[in-house]
Amino acid sequence: QSALTQPASVSGSPGQSITISCTGTSSDVGGYDYVSWYQQHPGEAPKLMIYDVTNRPSGVSNRFSGSKSGNTASLTISGLQAEDEADYYCSSYVSSGTYVFGIGTKVTVL
Amino acid sequence: QITLKESGPTLVKPTQTLTLTCTFSGFSLSTRGLAVGWIRQPPGKALEWLALIYWDADKRYSPSLKNRLTITKDTSKNQVVLTLTNMDPVDTATYYCAHRPYYADYFDYWGQGTLVTVSS
Repeated sequence: QSALTQPASVSGSPGQSITISCTGTSSDVGGYDYVSWYQQHPGEAPKLMIYDVTNRPSGVSNRFSGSKSGNTASLTISGLQAEDEADYYCSSYVSSGTYVFGIGTKVTVL
Repeated sequence: QITLKESGPTLVKPTQTLTLTCTFSGFSLSTRGLAVGWIRQPPGKALEWLALIYWDADKRYSPSLKNRLTITKDTSKNQVVLTLTNMDPVDTATYYCAHRPYYADYFDYWGQGTLVTVSS
């Protein structure tokens, strides 16, 4: 299985909205509503931000939202804040019963 | 409160076998529907999913590494063990274990990670 495709970097100014895409295949992203998103600050473990495409865990800001269309999932960050600067990874369940992560996107707050 | 912590060697030589232990608290891996997974991250690179073990001891492995990986659990000790054989410098990475909730397909709690360097 190949890593999911994400843009290497996305940037935005404080207060703006940005969207990170995550493209897979019909065997992973397109085949199941089991896409999750993780935020990772330097030197820290990943933190779950979105699960099952659109759901936010308790404690995660409602500025973070997820969606999916076909083989591409997306994470949108609204009202961008300095603390949102981090690496973001998508992940999907795969038909073989395994999981796959994306290549990661670095978000820069200008 | 769920916590996980990885332990094991920080340095291994090429061709050696790596054994990592994930010790957790706040849940029991005998609880139906739960699982624990391992994920690694080479320095400056992306996350890579490695393996998963379910409450019933069913296992899943990354297709690219399945010939080298073994995952086991000791429910009485609240531990999950990952072994990776024939280590190579490209296996240098931070290795994380993570909790997969009840019949879910994501990881909601992660350990702090342990950096393993492969070098002679």
